[in-house]
Amino acid sequence: DVQLLESGGGLVQPGGSLRLSCAASGITFSNYDMNWVRQAPGQGLEWVSAISGGGGSTYYADSVKGRFTISRDNSKNTLFLQMNSLRAEDTAVYYCAKSKGLSWYYFDYWGQGTLVTVSS
Amino acid sequence: EIVLTQSPATLSLSPGERATLSCRASQSVSSFLAWYQQKPGQAPTLLIYAASNRATGIPARFSGSGSGTDFTLTISSLEPEDFALYYCQQRSNWPLTFGGGTKVETK
Repeated sequence: DVQLLESGGGLVQPGGSLRLSCAASGITFSNYDMNWVRQAPGQGLEWVSAISGGGGSTYYADSVKGRFTISRDNSKNTLFLQMNSLRAEDTAVYYCAKSKGLSWYYFDYWGQGTLVTVSS
Repeated sequence: EIVLTQSPATLSLSPGERATLSCRASQSVSSFLAWYQQKPGQAPTLLIYAASNRATGIPARFSGSGSGTDFTLTISSLEPEDFALYYCQQRSNWPLTFGGGTKVETK
């Protein structure tokens, strides 16, 4: 059974940093591209970032480019999102989402989400 | 950036009725479109990928159609558990984008 478990969310002041993690199980992790998708309170879904199975290619939404960094450790089946220079508008539930296959950026498994609140 | 526009914003229907949801792209996405269902307090669930392929475990009452810029998600006969939010998503171009969502509510 595929499981994705996010951690690392919390309350942070504007300008601060946070690192999210997503532990995957039930899959051969390196075979799949992975993603972060966020949802602000009461709002729709926003794709944030993606990383290829081997980690060699990364992609970002314009809203986070230069501030967020996606990475992965395939030896530990873990996905990361380093978030710097956080803003109030980054407040959201952050979901880790597995791509259906290599270069198939449809999200077939999602974690339960971790809440990030940016506020003073 | 490809903008996906979903309509209507809200669809008020009764159980057993047919639901037709629309997603229009600002430029062609070929067939690189997916549909998701989201219930309150839960993560989204993949329903349809590549415009018309049902994801694993999704009931046959859900179907997707379209290509290019116009797409449709059809629920042939609404079950009580189908009242939820629905989003489309394109993977044709970076950045990946989602539509704003359609809420299917009980009439």
